[in-house]
Amino acid sequence: QVQLVQSGAEVKKPGASVKVSCKASGYTFTGYFLHWVRQAPGQGLEWMGRISPNSGGTNYAQKFQGRVTVTRDTSISTVYMELSRLTSDDTAVYYCARAGGCSTCYGWLDPWGQGTLVTVSS
Amino acid sequence: EIVLTQSPGTLSLSPGERATLSCRASQSVSSSSYLAWYQQKPGQAPRLLIYDTSTRATGIPDRFSGSGSGTDFTLTISRLEPEDFAVYYCQQHGTSPSFGGGTKVEIK
Repeated sequence: QVQLVQSGAEVKKPGASVKVSCKASGYTFTGYFLHWVRQAPGQGLEWMGRISPNSGGTNYAQKFQGRVTVTRDTSISTVYMELSRLTSDDTAVYYCARAGGCSTCYGWLDPWGQGTLVTVSS
Repeated sequence: EIVLTQSPGTLSLSPGERATLSCRASQSVSSSSYLAWYQQKPGQAPRLLIYDTSTRATGIPDRFSGSGSGTDFTLTISRLEPEDFAVYYCQQHGTSPSFGGGTKVEIK
């Protein structure tokens, strides 16, 4: 079955960077975009960006431009999301999710990884 | 950026009742195919319920249905089961994706 397994929880200090991984299995890795979405404690969902595992091409939400980098390693079917210059406002659960849908849209998200809690605290 | 506004913020209902959740977009969603709904329970990742406005995802029971077009979309749960009490989010993905703020369906 299609599965996305993320790396474990992280605790970072303000100003640092964090890199979260998402390993895909159960399907052709290069066939689907992978997205990153975050959720602050008690808050809603916020889209961050996506990557084409085939080409490596990325799109980012304007809010995170210059601060987020999404990469992939096709040899191990893994996508990475790195967020830099962390502040307490970046404390959140970060999810990866596979996109379905059409070639002219970003796609609905299914399935989702289990989430990775990133805590930013001095 | 398309802003999605969900209403109500909280819906208090009893099992067996009908739930109607609204999602309104700040501008027309470029295609009705680009609207999805998710369910999230505490401590869990979101789960896809509906895509293309009205198509149920694999394994989703037929008490869940979606409708709408343009800027107004609706998720309906025909008869609430105990496992349906959760938070629901709409998402548009025609342009840079965005999510609504969520509607919590709680037990009355």
